[in-house]
Amino acid sequence: DGGITQSPKYLFRKEGQNVTLSCEQNLNHDAMYWYRQDPGQGLRLIYYSQIVNDFQKGDIAEGYSVSREKKESFPLTVTSAQKNPTAFYLCASSITSWNEQFFGPGTRLTVL
Amino acid sequence: GQQLNQSPQSMFIQEGEDVSMNCTSSSIFNTWLWYKQDPGEGPVLLIALYKAGELTSNGRLTAQFGITRKDSFLNISASIPSDVGIYFCAGQPSTTSGTYKYIFGTGTRLKVLA
Repeated sequence: DGGITQSPKYLFRKEGQNVTLSCEQNLNHDAMYWYRQDPGQGLRLIYYSQIVNDFQKGDIAEGYSVSREKKESFPLTVTSAQKNPTAFYLCASSITSWNEQFFGPGTRLTVL
Repeated sequence: GQQLNQSPQSMFIQEGEDVSMNCTSSSIFNTWLWYKQDPGEGPVLLIALYKAGELTSNGRLTAQFGITRKDSFLNISASIPSDVGIYFCAGQPSTTSGTYKYIFGTGTRLKVLA
């Protein structure tokens, strides 16, 4: 089955700890994205990558970091510098950055 | 970041009724996408629109790319209980900057009463 997987589904961390969210796709898509979703708001772009070994900051990149060492993987690290990290995180991919995006199932991060 | 104006924010309808929702922007868009999101899940792509005036259907769903390129509409005919969820629009602004980000609406929350 081709698709986008995110793990874990639920993640709990103590305040001040860094945490890494996984995103993998086997669709052979060049572009990958990380969004944050908060209640009552649209999706906000954290980071995106148009091609392997390259990525750019989105609208709310502060307190987050990413890497794109492999085409199929785009992990997101939520650092202790992120002031309000509790949210639903969505990963997406597209054939190229011009094309429609397909989303993974999401990871709900709760910082205690 | 810029967001689209999506309306209505929520709607309660009776099973069997038709539903209409729309998104508007002050910017010209090259592409419009419509997604449905169930609680706790990722959005699922319903319809993609690429040309001004384009009308595309997917089962009981029909979406249109506005001729001004600043709006899009989604209609659901003969709603059923499983249509419940949040519907998002997303648009890709026309840009020469080389970045092709999508902008997302805030969603229309649909509840269907049996």
